[in-house]
Amino acid sequence: DIQMTQSPSSLSASAGERVTITCRASQSISAFLNWYQQKPGKAPSLLIYAASNLQSGVPSRFSGSGSGTEFTLTISSLLPEDSATYYCQQTYSTPPHTFGPGTKLEIK
Amino acid sequence: EVQLVESGGRLVRPGGSLRLSCAGSGFDFNDHSMNWVRQAPGKGLESISYISRSSAYIHYADSVKGRFTVSRDNAKNSLFLQMSSLRAEDTAVYYCARIISGSDAFDIWGQGTMVTVSS
Repeated sequence: DIQMTQSPSSLSASAGERVTITCRASQSISAFLNWYQQKPGKAPSLLIYAASNLQSGVPSRFSGSGSGTEFTLTISSLLPEDSATYYCQQTYSTPPHTFGPGTKLEIK
Repeated sequence: EVQLVESGGRLVRPGGSLRLSCAGSGFDFNDHSMNWVRQAPGKGLESISYISRSSAYIHYADSVKGRFTVSRDNAKNSLFLQMSSLRAEDTAVYYCARIISGSDAFDIWGQGTMVTVSS
């Protein structure tokens, strides 16, 4: 099974700052990596698919990069509404597709 | 509007059974593979079951294999999860999600339905 890790597990940043979250896979997953945002009490929503493709309707301050085993989600200029937990997910292997443990982002 | 709506979650005793439903609307349901994801209280996301468009391919996480059964009725735009031999550790919010062809990302999610397994 492919294992996913994320770092950091939590972070606190100020509005306007740039933040980067890293996701690593236990083996190469090419670009089969997606990012989701989840706010408390809500369902997750898709931000980035296939490592670097911005989902329709998602603000351009979100971007994704990487391939193989290491991937990053970058938020270029934080807004208060970006406070959420962010999950990566690999869709390379046979389903069900595993998620990373999540990164909780707090806006100071 | 494209949406998914889950139903069927409730309190159930350990060892009991439950059937969850997910109704799709606003899109061609039979054009998409579908997935169930659950989230235990305060925990992360766990993908537990996948079903292809025609139900030809079905996969389960080890944690539910042999106890849960996924099915769909494309004529009724509906997805189901039959859950049996329920355990306390199955307590979670259960989400259904639509899968994008190609990337297999989950682009549409339901609002979730809560399943509590407790005596």
